[in-house]
Order: sequence, then structure tokens, then C-alpha cells
Amino acid sequence: EIVMTQSPATLSVSLGETATLSCRASQSITRTLAWYQQKPGQAPRLLISAASTRATGVPARFWGSGSETEFTLTINNLQSEDVAVYFCQQYFHRPSFGQGTKVDIK
Amino acid sequence: QVQMVQSGGGVVRPGGSLRLSCAASFSSLGIHWVRQTPARGLEWVAVILFDDNRELFADSVQGRFTLSRDKSNNTVFLQMNSLRLEDTGVYYCARAPYYDALTGGAYFDDWGQGSRVAVSS
Repeated sequence: EIVMTQSPATLSVSLGETATLSCRASQSITRTLAWYQQKPGQAPRLLISAASTRATGVPARFWGSGSETEFTLTINNLQSEDVAVYFCQQYFHRPSFGQGTKVDIK
Repeated sequence: QVQMVQSGGGVVRPGGSLRLSCAASFSSLGIHWVRQTPARGLEWVAVILFDDNRELFADSVQGRFTLSRDKSNNTVFLQMNSLRLEDTGVYYCARAPYYDALTGGAYFDDWGQGSRVAVSS
């Protein structure tokens, strides 16, 4: 199983600032990586696939980058509605998820 | 708009059984199940592939969970037997716009609302 490790566990960012979330894979997954946003009581929502392709309707302030084993989700100009837990997921093999990064407002 | 509506779930004792259902308003290659548990976080559980009716399961549920499908109303059922305390969590059905039959790789662009399963003595 490919193990996904996210950091930090919690990130506090001021409104309008930039949040940078990291995700590391235990082996190379090329660019088969997705990011999800989950708000309390809701199902995860797909933000990004193929490491950097935004899903339909996702604001341009969400930016995915990386390849092989190191990936980053950048949220520019953080808005109050971005408060959530963010998960990365590899699909190089059977899906596995990171443990999540909680983003809140400083 | 794609919709997936779930039903089922509840409280059950260890060793008991529950059945979850997922009704989809679309046609797809298959339906996946992903669960979110306190112990393991988000975890892929199973998939039923519609082209050949193949079912694949995570090692953690293999032999205990089964899948079935009612084609007439596009509904998939997850039958969960021999439930354990660690199966407690929220179970989601999900659609995958991408699926690699060779590796089992998939990501998910639409999710059901979730079904709560509590296994407790």
C-alpha cells in the first residue's frame, strides 16, 4: 500500500494570506494525485486531480503542484469559506488517502 | 447534475450485519465505497464495476463485505457482515471519472451524503 503523509496537521492562516499544504507519497506516484476539501458534516469535495488540474467550479485560488513523491496544495487569498480539512489521495494504485490538514483562520 | 443518494446504516453489535444502498442518477463504469473511520481516516473499501460485474475489496473487509446491484433503478448495495468495532464510521459511495483496471487506481468526483455505521457492544 502506498502511504500518504500530510503536513502540517493544522494550519492557521490570516484571511487574504496564503496557505501551503504538503503531501508526501511513500513511493513515486508520478502525478496521480487528487486533493479534496471536507467541511464538517459533508462528504469530501474534489478540488484537484492529476496533481494540478482543478475540478469544475473550483476557484483559481486553489493551486496544485508537484510530482513523484512531493506535492503541494496552495490556497491563495484565503477566504473564510476555505476553512476545512484537506486530504490528498493517490491513485497510482488502489486509492489511499493522507490523514488530512485542517485549515483555520488565524 | 450527478446525484448519489445513500440510505441504510445504524447501530449494530459486533458480529452483526448492515446493508447500505446508493442510488445514482447517472450511468457510470462503476460505484466505489469509501469510509471514514476514527482509526484509519479515509479508506477505500470496495468497487463494483458495471461492465463485467467484477467486485473488488480492500483487504480489511475482504470476505466480510459483498456488493450487489439493481440495474432497474441504478442502485448498488453494500452488504456488511461480521462487523467489527473498527468498522465504525461514515460510509460514502462515490463515482470515479477515472479508473485504471490494471492498478485499481481511481479518484472520485461525486460522493453520496454518507451513511453512519456504529458497531458497539
